[in-house]
Amino acid sequence: DQQVKQNSPSLSVQEGRISILNCDYTNSMFDYFLWYKKYPAEGPTFLISISSIKDKNEDGRFTVFLNKSAKHLSLHIVPSQPGDSAVYFCAASWFGNEKLTFGTGTRLTIIP
Amino acid sequence: GAVVSQHPSRVICKSGTSVKIECRSLDFQATTMFWYRQFPKQSLMLMATSNEGSKATYEQGVEKDKFLINHASLTLSTLTVTSAHPEDSSFYICSARGGQNNNYGYTFGSGTRLTVV
Repeated sequence: DQQVKQNSPSLSVQEGRISILNCDYTNSMFDYFLWYKKYPAEGPTFLISISSIKDKNEDGRFTVFLNKSAKHLSLHIVPSQPGDSAVYFCAASWFGNEKLTFGTGTRLTIIP
Repeated sequence: GAVVSQHPSRVICKSGTSVKIECRSLDFQATTMFWYRQFPKQSLMLMATSNEGSKATYEQGVEKDKFLINHASLTLSTLTVTSAHPEDSSFYICSARGGQNNNYGYTFGSGTRLTVV
C-alpha cells in the first residue's frame, strides 16, 4: 500500500524555467511533509518541509505548496539549474510518529 | 550543520557471510536512528527504527534475525546483514534524528551499496 505517491517517474525541464514536482498522499494522519533530493549512490539531502498548518513554504528557489483537501503537495523550483538534476522524493510523517514514509521519486533532468 | 557518517560506502561479500554497516552522528546526539533499503529505481523502504539502549522496532516483513541492529550509543548505530544472500544486494541508508541545532530534523548518511556474490 503506497501511502505516498509520485506519479511522474521522470520530468525534463529547460534550464531557467520552472520545475514542478507533484506528490499525493492517502493517509489523513500525515501532517508534516518533506522534500529530499538524491543523487545516485548517495543519501537523500533535505530540501524543504511544510507542516499541515501552512499551505506554502518558501526557501530561496524552492517553494512547497500543500493542498490538504486534495491530499496533494508540490515542489516548485525556479529558476531551474543544471545542478538540480537529481531524483526528488517527497516524504510524510505525523506528530508523534517519527517514521518517514517516502514516495517513489521523480527523476528531474534540467536541459541546458 | 548535522552530519551523519555511514561506512562503508560500498561492500562486496560472499554469500553466507555477514556484513556490518555503521552509522554515526558526528556533531549531534541521535535519539533515534532509522535504517532504509532502496532497490534500483524504487522508493526508500524503512526497515527498522532504533532508539539508543533499546531494541530496534522492525517494519513488517523485515527479518530481525537477519538484519541485526544495535544502537549502543547516542552517536552510533550498526546494521549487520547476517548470512547474506544475493537477494540482500541493495542500497542501505541510515538516518539519524536529533540535535537541537538541527531542529531535531532528519539527516541521512551517504548510503552503503551491498553486493552479495
